[in-house]
Parts: sequence; structure tokens; C-alpha cells
Amino acid sequence: AQKITQTQPGMFVQEKEAVTLDCTYDTSDPSYGLFWYKQPSSGEMIFLIYQGSYDQQNATEGRYSLNFQKARKSANLVISASQLGDSAMYFCAMREQASGSARQLTFGSGTQLTVLP
Amino acid sequence: ETGVTQSPTHLIKTRGQQVTLRCSSQSGHNTVSWYQQALGQGPQFIFQYYREEENGRGNFPPRFSGLQFPNYSSELNVNALELDDSALYLCASSVLRTSDEQYFGPGTRLTVT
Repeated sequence: AQKITQTQPGMFVQEKEAVTLDCTYDTSDPSYGLFWYKQPSSGEMIFLIYQGSYDQQNATEGRYSLNFQKARKSANLVISASQLGDSAMYFCAMREQASGSARQLTFGSGTQLTVLP
Repeated sequence: ETGVTQSPTHLIKTRGQQVTLRCSSQSGHNTVSWYQQALGQGPQFIFQYYREEENGRGNFPPRFSGLQFPNYSSELNVNALELDDSALYLCASSVLRTSDEQYFGPGTRLTVT
């Protein structure tokens, strides 16, 4: 079974509008972390936002916010006021505590976001 | 920029050859993780090094091996290259047990022909 599922291969949004990128996850560990990364065509993975499983409030970082619904096992990324520079591939990832001492990330398949002028 | 550097940027090898990829971690980071990202897919964890020892490994064969040096820089070695090894190889540095955040380098794009 997929641990991280991103069901939107591609999304389009008009400049200055908000967009939500979906992510669902599957884990039996009580302690885990959820991440969103942006990957432009250059290839570098850019960290956007982090949510810990015990965090009471949804994470926010500037125009990025994470809609964390623990019971539904979803961690959707909301980008407000989209900009042309937001066009990129977006990955949801999970870090599980049970991975021994190695803090590896498990990634979803990504969503290609295109911002239209 | 994250302060993580990788070399080379691009590489073309022939099937059966061996390749070494290099990564310099961000200053103060003691852990390096390597990921393989095939075209159109998310990155997959290869292994992690902490204080010069392998600290965890994903589902990759033994012909994928690594090293971490005292200055925490790292190498990924792949022997007996196969066509399916063509991918973007990303390294990420972090401070183990202190922070969950991993800082990624720009990657090395390997093409095996």
C-alpha cells in the first residue's frame, strides 16, 4: 500500500488565486512528520512547510499553510495568492519514527502545479 | 540556497560501468541521506550516513554503496550500472535527532546508456 498518496498529477490555478494540493498518508506510528517540498525544473527540492503529528495547530509559513486532518490522515497544502514562480512540482513526504534511527522521508508521486497569468 | 552542494551536475555512463557521486553537507550537519528520483516519480530513499556509518537503508541492492567522511561530506557509489539507474540523485543533509528538516542539494542527473 502506498504510504503517501497524491491524487492530482496536474493542477492549474489563476495567478493571485488560492490552490489546494491534496495529500493523504498511511502509517500506524503515533509519531510522524509531514513535509511539503517544491521542486522546480532545476531539480532542487525546496522545503516549504512541516507538520508534526502531535502539533495542535496547522502549520503556516508565509503564503503556505498545511490543512492537517489527523483522523482523515490528510495533509493538504494550501498556497494563497499564487504567483507565476509557484509553477513547479510539489511533493508531500512523511517521516516515520519507526524507521529506526534513520530519519528517511517517504515521498508521494507529486503534483505538477501550473500558475496561469 | 541550502548550502548543500553536489557534483557533478550531469553524468553519462555506459551500462556495466561504475560511478561516484559526491555531496557536501551544510555546515554543522552530521547526517547525509541519498535519494534516487526516476523521471516522473518522487524520490526514493537509498541510505543514510551518520557520523561516518550507515544508519539506515532503503530497498536498494548492495551495488549501491556509500561513504561519509570526517567533515561529513559523502559519496554514493554505484557498481555495474544498469539502464534503470538513470535518474536524478539527491543528497540531503540534516542534524540527526535534533530536527526533522532535511536540506537538499541540487542533484546529479545520471544517464546510463
